Amino acid sequence: NAGVMQNPRHLVRRRGQEARLRCSPMKGHSHVYWYRQLPEEGLKFMVYLQKENIIDESGMPKERFSAEFPKEGPSILRIQQVVRGDSAAYFCASSLGQRNTIYFGEGSWLTVV
Amino acid sequence: AQKVTQAQTEISVVEKEDVTLDCVYETRDTTYYLFWYKQPPSGELVFLIRRNSFDEQNEISGRYSWNFQKSTSSFNFTITASQVVDSAVYFCALIRQGGSEKLVFGKGTKLTVNP
Repeated sequence: NAGVMQNPRHLVRRRGQEARLRCSPMKGHSHVYWYRQLPEEGLKFMVYLQKENIIDESGMPKERFSAEFPKEGPSILRIQQVVRGDSAAYFCASSLGQRNTIYFGEGSWLTVV
Repeated sequence: AQKVTQAQTEISVVEKEDVTLDCVYETRDTTYYLFWYKQPPSGELVFLIRRNSFDEQNEISGRYSWNFQKSTSSFNFTITASQVVDSAVYFCALIRQGGSEKLVFGKGTKLTVNP
């Protein structure tokens, strides 16, 4: 029973490069969420997606960040032109739908050097 | 606005002690869900429990128990006979029913269980 799968687990990028984080939800789950964990800020919601739709992106920074959950394949969180402040753990989560339990993946740790 | 407060930043206990992690929440919604997650040193977030606002029954799962009290807006978590493997950061979270499924997390309580 595979859980939420994220990769890569660790990613190092130089300033200005792009980071792509992938997330495969649990089997049967069609709702995907991305959260960011910064050392002093804790876990913060970024975006909520269903297949091919962004439902709520109110937590996404206005620039450089985008997310998608295509009909086929994993959800992708894309960060363009990374800066040091983007260094954080990015967690993907999934659920069967609203009012259901939300399960998290192991996280992707992004380090920007 | 919703808010979750975990006033205990760090707790240190000796193995076999009981320990309670506090969680106080604020919401204007009448229907909502409360969660607890565990983040061990390896970093992943592990789901522990989900409770809806209409169910105030306490829950026990092995050495873990949860006390939900709507009157005080609290959802406390107790570990009985703690073990070293319980060492982790524990997060309490709140989600409103309906609308966007947006978890609001507390800042977490770091529990260290010493042998």
